[in-house]
Amino acid sequence: AQSVTQPDIHITVSEGASLELRCNYSYGATPYLFWYVQSPGQGLQLLLKYFSGDTLVQGIKGFEAEFKRSQSSFNLRKPSVHWSDAAEYFCAVGGYRGNQFYFGTGTSLTVIP
Amino acid sequence: DAGVIQSPRHEVTEMGQEVTLRCKPISGHDYLFWYRQTMMRGLELLIYFNNNVPIDDSGMPEDRFSAKMPNASFSTLKIQPSEPRDSAVYFCASSLSGSYNEQFFGPGTRLTVL
Repeated sequence: AQSVTQPDIHITVSEGASLELRCNYSYGATPYLFWYVQSPGQGLQLLLKYFSGDTLVQGIKGFEAEFKRSQSSFNLRKPSVHWSDAAEYFCAVGGYRGNQFYFGTGTSLTVIP
Repeated sequence: DAGVIQSPRHEVTEMGQEVTLRCKPISGHDYLFWYRQTMMRGLELLIYFNNNVPIDDSGMPEDRFSAKMPNASFSTLKIQPSEPRDSAVYFCASSLSGSYNEQFFGPGTRLTVL
């Protein structure tokens, strides 16, 4: 069965520090991978997506993610975090006949000034 | 494009009352999804439609929940009767080509059942 694991429930980083949010998936074929961000009181906004090709994908707001098939991972990174990045981050996998996404449980990011 | 539109943004009702949540997907999108988000259970898929036809409603918690999509530009999620445990944020999302493409989320409806 398809599944997505975000092992970190909550992460705290200092403003200006680098960030990496982990995502592991379980899927039997080539996955379609997504990262979404949810600011307080808002809906989910797409940060980036991976379908095929270059395994390092760039997204909005300075985020990037790297697809590693051997590790079944799609970790999200940002070299320098801004206070406005404080939010909930969700990893999701799709791309199969079921036509639904599987979302991870989310990682809550706190940014310390 | 206005994006996915949901109404109302906030709903407060009393236990036993009927609640109707509304969604207008992005024009041209052929998939529509209803999600529920709570602290305890996270983001749950309730039901999704393809070309206005319900495809998978296995996530609908019980018979008190029902969803319709009478046309390509409108969907409703109804709870009758409502219960306090239904309190959550309900999101509607739409996409083109199902899980092969990104989902666009609405701002959500925060439902409080007293």
